[in-house]
Amino acid sequence: GNSVTQMEGPVTLSEEAFLTINCTYTATGYPSLFWYVQYPGEGLQLLLKATKADDKGSNKGFEATYRKETTSFHLEKGSVQVSDSAVYFCALKGNTPLVFGKGTRLSVIA
Amino acid sequence: GAVVSQHPSRVICKSGTSVKIECRSLDFQATTMFWYRQFPKQSLMLMATSNEGSKATYEQGVEKDKFLINHASLTLSTLTVTSAHPEDSSFYICSATSTATYEQYFGPGTRLTVT
Repeated sequence: GNSVTQMEGPVTLSEEAFLTINCTYTATGYPSLFWYVQYPGEGLQLLLKATKADDKGSNKGFEATYRKETTSFHLEKGSVQVSDSAVYFCALKGNTPLVFGKGTRLSVIA
Repeated sequence: GAVVSQHPSRVICKSGTSVKIECRSLDFQATTMFWYRQFPKQSLMLMATSNEGSKATYEQGVEKDKFLINHASLTLSTLTVTSAHPEDSSFYICSATSTATYEQYFGPGTRLTVT
């Protein structure tokens, strides 16, 4: 079945550091890929998505590229801020409901 | 943008009682809504998929008689946790798929604590 594996956290970075959160997937067919963010005490928000191979999703300085050859969708940001502290979930959707990774907690310190 | 609300946001109940959680799509119609459960520091686990006007489809291992789901209209789904026990304490999140855009939007979640 479909599954998502993302790097274990927590990840702690200093402000303005470069961020990478790895995500790989297993799926049949051609799923759409997503990154969701959950800020403390809030629900999930869609951060970015990509619907086909080589697509790059981007939002709020974050970006991720759909790599079919490596079945990956790594999340990157060039310069993180304290306000980026949250839990990030990689997810995929084929012909089934969204399947989520376990989440990666990011803490950014000033 | 599309908004999904949940009510209540937090509830504390005694063991053996039942609790109802509402999920509403405020500015769009949703033929399909999903209920997830999130354990501390873990990912979301899909519990069931509900379609308006029909019975919910439960994921393997989810007791349908314990977690009653009703999707009576295009904007409302309810989850009732019957005869709650402390192990049912969790964060329950609903999401709704817009009939117009097919995007899936998430509610803010409901924290259930069973004492």
